[in-house]
Amino acid sequence: DAGITQSPRHKVTETGTPVTLRCHQTENHRYMYWYRQDPGHGLRLIHYSYGVKDTDKGEVSDGYSVSRSKTEDFLLTLESATSSQTSVYFCAISGAGGTNYGYTFGSGTRLTVV
Amino acid sequence: QKEVEQDPGPLSVPEGAIVSLNCTYSNSAFQYFMWYRQYSRKGPELLMYTYSSGNKEDGRFTAQVDKSSKYISLFIRDSQPSDSATYLCAPQQAGGYNKLIFGAGTRLAVHP
Repeated sequence: DAGITQSPRHKVTETGTPVTLRCHQTENHRYMYWYRQDPGHGLRLIHYSYGVKDTDKGEVSDGYSVSRSKTEDFLLTLESATSSQTSVYFCAISGAGGTNYGYTFGSGTRLTVV
Repeated sequence: QKEVEQDPGPLSVPEGAIVSLNCTYSNSAFQYFMWYRQYSRKGPELLMYTYSSGNKEDGRFTAQVDKSSKYISLFIRDSQPSDSATYLCAPQQAGGYNKLIFGAGTRLAVHP
């Protein structure tokens, strides 16, 4: 996916451990988002950012925190991973709040909590 | 009630069929209506979008919005096996910053 990279692509971790997922963009877009995707639920917004150090919660933010110290990087941290956080995590970017532009998504991180 | 409802399928059709994918929504403030396509183990990609009511055509794809009934449709003509993917509708409010709200997605399989 041009301009947006997620790392790692796959991760297996143990219950109770902290986990950090990274999203890196080269588009200089203002807005960045973290979603999780689960069968039957579609894409659910975890947190989003509208600028450096400016973040806000989405609909499923419990157990997650984010940080954005640079325009290009948006980190998602699972403070103490639980099995319910096993999911596919997608980062997305947009230049103007999404209107008329939509979002560009990364390739996803497949996280398994055992 | 969810803001956006979408039949998850799966929908299986033969190659060449006309496919109709649909969503309903509850928020009358939605003004932009987007469709995303997601291939297996990939991120969603923007397929097309419309503003307000009406139709928009792009090749074999037509997006249709009926705001009076809060109904969104995506039609695929002459469907191909390469169209096999999950399709997500995503409406959005206009003005300022507004997040996209995604439907759960409809899984489509086009078989030769």
